[in-house]
Amino acid sequence: GAGVSQTPSNKVTEKGKYVELRCDPISGHTALYWYRQSLGQGPEFLIYFQGTGAADDSGLPNDRFFAVRPEGSVSTLKIQRTERGDSAVYLCASSLDRGETQYFGPGTRLLVL
Amino acid sequence: EDKVVQSPLSLVVHEGDTVTLNCSYEVTNFRSLLWYKQEKKAPTFLFMLTSSGIEKKSGRLSSILDKKELFSILNITATQTGDSAVYLCAVLYSGGGADGLTFGKGTHLIIQP
Repeated sequence: GAGVSQTPSNKVTEKGKYVELRCDPISGHTALYWYRQSLGQGPEFLIYFQGTGAADDSGLPNDRFFAVRPEGSVSTLKIQRTERGDSAVYLCASSLDRGETQYFGPGTRLLVL
Repeated sequence: EDKVVQSPLSLVVHEGDTVTLNCSYEVTNFRSLLWYKQEKKAPTFLFMLTSSGIEKKSGRLSSILDKKELFSILNITATQTGDSAVYLCAVLYSGGGADGLTFGKGTHLIIQP
């Protein structure tokens, strides 16, 4: 069956611009997670959705980052006024329910010039 | 302070060797420990461990958890060049505000022919 998909696979933008990253989870998975991975580091948790609601956004670094999941399936991570330090791979994962195994998508590599 | 520490950070061995990767953690309200293999972008799931002393096995890979000493190991026997990857250890725990996985920095494993 289809796994987690993410678009775009690569995104290059200029400092100060707005970007949106999309995640399509595995069908039927109620839990969805966003992570950010910098070079040489493990993924770092950003936000967790259970259904449509953001159950835990404690990992978002600041208020320039926001995510939505309006219908409990596809999620969009939004970054305003991008900074060079936002450059990283943004990974999305989904699980059947909270606490279950998380399956990752291929990620979006974001480069802010 | 890092909650999940992996060692070694990098390892180079020859094809056919056996390797042991280590992961120690320091969290309260532990729920589970997971191992992932990351070759390009998407971490692919290997094992989820919740109980001490029960070995999980998949082909040449095996893993075990020690909840008393707070560590896990991942063994790979008869290594092949296709095993070259970054192996990530992650812990899921309750409390601390994060419902996501907390990852270590990973072990970069290189298998030489």
